[in-house]
Amino acid sequence: QSVLTQPPSASGTPGQRVTISCSGSSSNIGSNYVYWYQQLPGTAPKLLIYRNNQRPSGVPDRFSGSKSGTSASLAISGLRSEDEADYYCAAWDDSLYVFGTGTKVTVL
Amino acid sequence: QVQLQESGPGLVKPSQTLSLTCTVSGGSISSGSYYWSWIRQPAGKGLEWIGRICTSGSTIYNPSLKSRVTISVDTSKNQFSLKLSSVTAADTAVYYCASGDWNDLWGHGTLVTVSS
Repeated sequence: QSVLTQPPSASGTPGQRVTISCSGSSSNIGSNYVYWYQQLPGTAPKLLIYRNNQRPSGVPDRFSGSKSGTSASLAISGLRSEDEADYYCAAWDDSLYVFGTGTKVTVL
Repeated sequence: QVQLQESGPGLVKPSQTLSLTCTVSGGSISSGSYYWSWIRQPAGKGLEWIGRICTSGSTIYNPSLKSRVTISVDTSKNQFSLKLSSVTAADTAVYYCASGDWNDLWGHGTLVTVSS
């Protein structure tokens, strides 16, 4: 049972902005950085956001992360068909690295 | 460019030990202070962190698996390994190795099925 809760699904049409929430607690998001991973169908996860809002080299600036208190969000602006994937948030909780429940993004 | 590749048996019998290796290519596993992790994903489900090892040899494990898990590094082979003992069907999953402070590089994953 994950301690980071995400909505099971989110969707949008091409060009729209989609936001995914990640709800945690004071022991994880509230006191540690948040990370986001993108998992395209049939592939390994890929780091999308680190340290709440930093993008690794090569990640488009359409992806942005934010954190407030014990919650975090991932926003995808200018939604594209290739963004259709599962998205997971993650954070340290004491000495345990916990992943969120995952959100499937569908491009309509 | 550093790459990771998991390898090991795809089928393990219940109660036996699952053993996987992650080979690091394009860079040295012992260069600098770095983290090497194992993560798994049952079919159709989410990600579960198993544990990680630092190049210094220190390890931390998921408390729910700690009694059964060992992660080690073999710098001579540029590899790190996972051993999970007393496996059951619940351990059937795709196992990924990953590296970096933020799991910023992942292997392709390898499916391990626990079945007699």
